[in-house]
Amino acid sequence: DSGVTQTPKHLITATGQRVTLRCSPRSGDLSVYWYQQSLDQGLQFLIQYYNGEERAKGNILERFSAQQFPDLHSELNLSSLELGDSALYFCASSVGEVYSGQETQYFGPGTRLLVL
Amino acid sequence: ILNVEQSPQSLHVQEGDSTNFTCSFPSSNFYALHWYRWETAKSPEALFVMTLNGDEKKKGRISATLNTKEGYSYLYIKGSQPEDSATYLCAFEGFDDKIIFGKGTRLHILP
Repeated sequence: DSGVTQTPKHLITATGQRVTLRCSPRSGDLSVYWYQQSLDQGLQFLIQYYNGEERAKGNILERFSAQQFPDLHSELNLSSLELGDSALYFCASSVGEVYSGQETQYFGPGTRLLVL
Repeated sequence: ILNVEQSPQSLHVQEGDSTNFTCSFPSSNFYALHWYRWETAKSPEALFVMTLNGDEKKKGRISATLNTKEGYSYLYIKGSQPEDSATYLCAFEGFDDKIIFGKGTRLHILP
């Protein structure tokens, strides 16, 4: 158990809908990262937040947005869902500010999204 | 287009044997190289972060080296055990905060 929690574990929805994925980092971790794992693209970095502020952005679609709240939990919002958005979405956390500041990342168990 | 290549894609190794595999990445704009271990049905586990040319990191029987000038990193596993069966991912991080993952090397340890 990494200490990072993600809810829900599974989510099934229809095209065009909007969903919110939630992540609670490990106690004391200020950075939260979101990743998408799909069969054709592999693991892709989406976005990083540090202490409430966006710090780095990867291949995140405009239909997707994220935020980190004062209590440091984070939400990833996916809207106008398409079939291709079906994937496993991971959240990870670390203590430090920058992605690679010698920090170890701890991954949550993931949310599996299925868009029908 | 930045590309991170891992080879081989898949590897079968006899228990007790040592093995290694490669991650190739762009040599320009390099900031850090990450290795992850990902067991089936579990979450990825971060193994190493390496930033300096010539870096060597070790964690138990697993070690990694880094050559930023030529753009490659090797991951070594000494005396493979069944629990080493996993996919090993590397990720390149550039100064522009872009992080690109390779497709992984799937390692199978044969009893």
